[in-house]
Amino acid sequence: EIVMTQSPATLSVSPGERVTLSCRASQSVSISLAWYQKKPGQAPRVLIYGASTRATGIPARFSGSGSGTDFTLTISSLQSEDFAVYYCQQYDNWPSVTFGQGTKVDIK
Amino acid sequence: EVQLVQSGTEVRKPGESLKISCRTSGYGFSAFWIGWVRQLPGKGLEWLGIILPADSDVRYNPPFQGHVTISADTSISTAFLRLNTLTASDSAIYYCARYPTTDSPDFWGQGTQVIVSS
Repeated sequence: EIVMTQSPATLSVSPGERVTLSCRASQSVSISLAWYQKKPGQAPRVLIYGASTRATGIPARFSGSGSGTDFTLTISSLQSEDFAVYYCQQYDNWPSVTFGQGTKVDIK
Repeated sequence: EVQLVQSGTEVRKPGESLKISCRTSGYGFSAFWIGWVRQLPGKGLEWLGIILPADSDVRYNPPFQGHVTISADTSISTAFLRLNTLTASDSAIYYCARYPTTDSPDFWGQGTQVIVSS
């Protein structure tokens, strides 16, 4: 099983700040990497797939980069509605799909 | 309008089984994969498996093979997730989602809470 490790576990940020979240795979997943946003009481939402492709309707302030084992999700200017938990997910070894443990972005 | 509507909260005892439904509308049910994801209380997400209703092609994430059963009924545009021999660690919110490709889902159900307690 491919293990996904996210850092940091928690990030305290002020609105308007730039945010960078990291995700590392235990082995190469090429660009088979997605980022999800999860808020309490809501279904997960896909932000990025294919490591860098924004899903339909996702604002341009969200961007993804990386390939192989190291990936980054960047939020260029954090908005109030962006406070949530973010998960990376690899699907290179489909259907053995695995998520990271999540990074919580909360208000500083 | 694409909609996925899941069945309601379930409470079961350890050792029992249950079946959750995901009723879809607003698109051609058979042509899109339906996947299942769960969120454990206070914890992260787990991907359980996926089905293509057109031919009932089912793929399970290996850790869940044998513990869950995914099926679909094209006559009622509904997918199902059966959880076998429940334990307390199956207590979670279960989500179904539509997958245009196997890479990434686009529409989600509202979630079904499952509580397993003696």
